[in-house]
Amino acid sequence: DAGVIQSPRHEVTEMGQEVTLRCKPISGHDYLFWYRQTMMRGLELLIYFNNNVPIDDSGMPEDRFSAKMPNASFSTLKIQPSEPRDSAVYFCASSWRGSGANVLTFGAGSRLTVL
Amino acid sequence: AQTVTQSQPEMSVQEAETVTLSCTYDTSESNYYLFWYKQPPSRQMILVIRQEAYKQQNATENRFSVNFQKAAKSFSLKISDSQLGDTAMYFCAFLSSSGTYKYIFGTGTRLKVLA
Repeated sequence: DAGVIQSPRHEVTEMGQEVTLRCKPISGHDYLFWYRQTMMRGLELLIYFNNNVPIDDSGMPEDRFSAKMPNASFSTLKIQPSEPRDSAVYFCASSWRGSGANVLTFGAGSRLTVL
Repeated sequence: AQTVTQSQPEMSVQEAETVTLSCTYDTSESNYYLFWYKQPPSRQMILVIRQEAYKQQNATENRFSVNFQKAAKSFSLKISDSQLGDTAMYFCAFLSSSGTYKYIFGTGTRLKVLA
């Protein structure tokens, strides 16, 4: 398995622009998580899905952030409009609750810089 | 609500020596999972080791082992024969086996292995 695949790896954009981050979870995993990591705030859970349905989006900072999972193999995190304080590394991760192991596998992350 | 505490923001160890990273957690549940993740400078989050709370035997993965003290709610990570490649941020994480399927991460310990 290729693991959790995220794109883009790096994104530099200007304030006010729309940003879309993409994630392909591991095939067969039924949970998908979006995290944000910054020096100041550490690792924050933004939202997570179970079988493509959003379960908890209480970590989404504000209405500028939205996430979708149209099918089991694809999810997006969108920021519109972007602001400099959104600069961070965004991780997607997936897991399979039925496995018993419950190992959370992370993607390589998308580093976002908003100028 | 469950919490995970890593009280050592930074640590250093000489190459080939042994180091222990501490982690405590708070829960009222009897069954759960505990994890240690490593994040090297490449930023990829990698699973180091996992422990199931109902198993009394401490998990071991090569040079990495844990000291799981369920009554004390402590889950420390021991790295033996430290190598330069062990330099990374280490995160402790908790997952309930029956409640909300949400991984709770500590704030991390930055470990530097000195040559």
